[in-house]
Amino acid sequence: NAGVTQTPKFRILKIGQSMTLQCTQDMNHNYMYWYRQDPGMGLKLIYYSVGAGITDKGEVPNGYNVSRSTTEDFPLRLELAAPSQTSVYFCASSYRAPGDTEAFFGQGTRLTVV
Amino acid sequence: GENVEQHPSTLSVQEGDSAVIKCTYSDSASNYFPWYKQELGKRPQLIIDIRSNVGEKKDQRIAVTLNKTAKHFSLHITETQPEDSAVYFCAPRTNTGNQFYFGTGTSLTVIP
Repeated sequence: NAGVTQTPKFRILKIGQSMTLQCTQDMNHNYMYWYRQDPGMGLKLIYYSVGAGITDKGEVPNGYNVSRSTTEDFPLRLELAAPSQTSVYFCASSYRAPGDTEAFFGQGTRLTVV
Repeated sequence: GENVEQHPSTLSVQEGDSAVIKCTYSDSASNYFPWYKQELGKRPQLIIDIRSNVGEKKDQRIAVTLNKTAKHFSLHITETQPEDSAVYFCAPRTNTGNQFYFGTGTSLTVIP
């Protein structure tokens, strides 16, 4: 059981480039989330999804886009990368409404924008 | 949305001592209170959780206590070991909220 898988693990982008961070889960979870974690800081919610075809903004959505065409996949798109987007990105999923269930995290993607 | 604070932000203890981290929240409808541990360079993972109908839960050296009236819950680690060194996050939740917010984090260092 792979759980939540993110790719790539590391990436260096130049300012203005674009990229997609991939996230897939094999637990048939409805809820999926994207977070960013700056050095020494907490987890900030970027976007989340409660099911295929449904996405919504979190605390820090500017500069990012998401889609959820299937239950398994929840890619995060960065358009026109900026140095402020240098961070570690975590994807997570949970079975149902997060009120009473565990969130499972991917291993993270370390992104540097230069 | 939920306003979540953790105290202290950093904590250093000698190996074998106890550590306590407190999480305060604002939404009185919160009814699920988990703690996550994030080791350096790793992903956050759930270590213990409690629901609002329970005041305390223990799992070996870790425990969580809940005070719903005062709107705070705490993580207790006894007989600390170097492998307990990590950042700990609380993440109080309601049944109806779709978003998943984490506290500001507490960096625990256990000194051998």
